[in-house]
Amino acid sequence: NAGVTQTPKFQVLKTGQSMTLQCAQDMNHNSMYWYRQDPGMGLRLIYYSASEGTTDKGEVPNGYNVSRLNKREFSLRLESAAPSQTSVYFCASRGQATYEQYFGPGTRLTVT
Amino acid sequence: RKEVEQDPGPFNVPEGATVAFNCTYSNSASQSFFWYRQDCRKEPKLLMSVYSSGNEDGRFTAQLNRASQYISLLIRDSKLSDSATYLCVVNVYGNNRLAFGKGNQVVVIP
Repeated sequence: NAGVTQTPKFQVLKTGQSMTLQCAQDMNHNSMYWYRQDPGMGLRLIYYSASEGTTDKGEVPNGYNVSRLNKREFSLRLESAAPSQTSVYFCASRGQATYEQYFGPGTRLTVT
Repeated sequence: RKEVEQDPGPFNVPEGATVAFNCTYSNSASQSFFWYRQDCRKEPKLLMSVYSSGNEDGRFTAQLNRASQYISLLIRDSKLSDSATYLCVVNVYGNNRLAFGKGNQVVVIP
């Protein structure tokens, strides 16, 4: 039981490049989330998916797109990376019964 | 007003001492409250849920004060391994998401 996994762990992009961050969970959770964490800013919600087939914007969705591929997988795409998107990205999931979320190990992204 | 507010610290604590900190939340309708622990360059991990009656898990005690809209965390007999950032987390009422505080940084000093 791996919990929540994320790939890649580290990534360096040039401005304007695109990439997709992958997230998968094996806990049969319905809801999945993407956050970014910047120094002094705390965790900020980018997008979330309450169930397979649905996605909703969070606090900071601009510059990102998401896909809930199936119940297990939720990907985050940067179409044209900008230096302001340099951050640590965390994926999380939660089950039906409680509000507790479980996090993946994160992806450290640098955009130059 | 921010959904969750915490004093970031750092809280420098001698080993073996007790440290306590609070966070305040803005939405009186919030129902679920948590403390998460985050180590440097790692993901947040659930430390404990916070219940209305207060709850204890070993050296950690969490309290909820609905009237004043704050939750607290107390760590007794601090260990070096308790050095971390503690995030106060509250559900956003009527919404499928959580609001995170910026965290209280605790540094336990030998």
